[in-house]
Amino acid sequence: EIVLTQSPGTLSLSPGERATLSCRARQSVSNNYLAWYQQKPGQAPRLLIYGASSRATGIPDRFSGSGSGTDFTLTIRRLEPEDFAVYYCQHYGSSPTFGQGTKVEIK
Amino acid sequence: EVQLVESGGGLVQPGGSLRLSCAASGFTFSIYGMSWVRQAPVKGLEWVSGISGSGTITYYADSVKGRFTISRDNSKNTLSLQMNGLRAEDTAVYYCTQENYYDTGRFDYWGQGTLVTVSS
Repeated sequence: EIVLTQSPGTLSLSPGERATLSCRARQSVSNNYLAWYQQKPGQAPRLLIYGASSRATGIPDRFSGSGSGTDFTLTIRRLEPEDFAVYYCQHYGSSPTFGQGTKVEIK
Repeated sequence: EVQLVESGGGLVQPGGSLRLSCAASGFTFSIYGMSWVRQAPVKGLEWVSGISGSGTITYYADSVKGRFTISRDNSKNTLSLQMNGLRAEDTAVYYCTQENYYDTGRFDYWGQGTLVTVSS
C-alpha cells in the first residue's frame, strides 16, 4: 500500500488568503490516482479533486490540484469562510489509503 | 440524487458481532463498486472493505481481513458489512461510499455514517 504524508498538520489563515496543502507519497502514484477530500465537523467527507488535478462535480474553481509522482498539492486560491475544514489526500485503487489530514483553521 | 443511508451501528462488547447495512438509492446500484470507510474518534480516514458491482470481487484492509465480510444484495439495493471478533480499535464511524464507475477506490458519494462502539 502507498503511505501518504500530509503537511502541515494545521494551517492558520485568514479569509481571502491562499492555502497550500501538501501530500507526499512514499512511492510513486501511478496514473495520478490521487484525490482530495474536504471534511467539516459532523459531516461526511466530500470529494474535491481526482486524478490529481480534476475538480469533482460542483466544486468551485478556487480549488485546484497539482503534482505527479510522489508530490501533490491542493491550493485554495482565496479562502472563503466555508473552506475552513480538514482536508485529506487519498491514493485510490484496489487498496486505497489516506493521508492523516491537514486542518485549515481561521487565524 | 444519490442517497446512502447506513444503519446497524451501536454498542457491542469486545469479541462480539455486528452487521451494518447501507440502503442505496438514486443510481443504478448494481453497476457501481461500493466500499466501507471508517473514522475512529478524532482520527483520520481508513478504508475498510470494497466490493465490485456484481459482488464477485471483494477487497479488505489487512486490519479487518478474516473478521469482516462485505456483501451486497443488488435486488434490494443494499450493501452490508458483517463484523465479527470486534476489538476496541474497531470503534469508529463507518461510512458507506459509492465508488466511481471507472476508478476503483475513488469515493464519489458518502453516507452520513453509523457509529460502532466496541467496549465492555
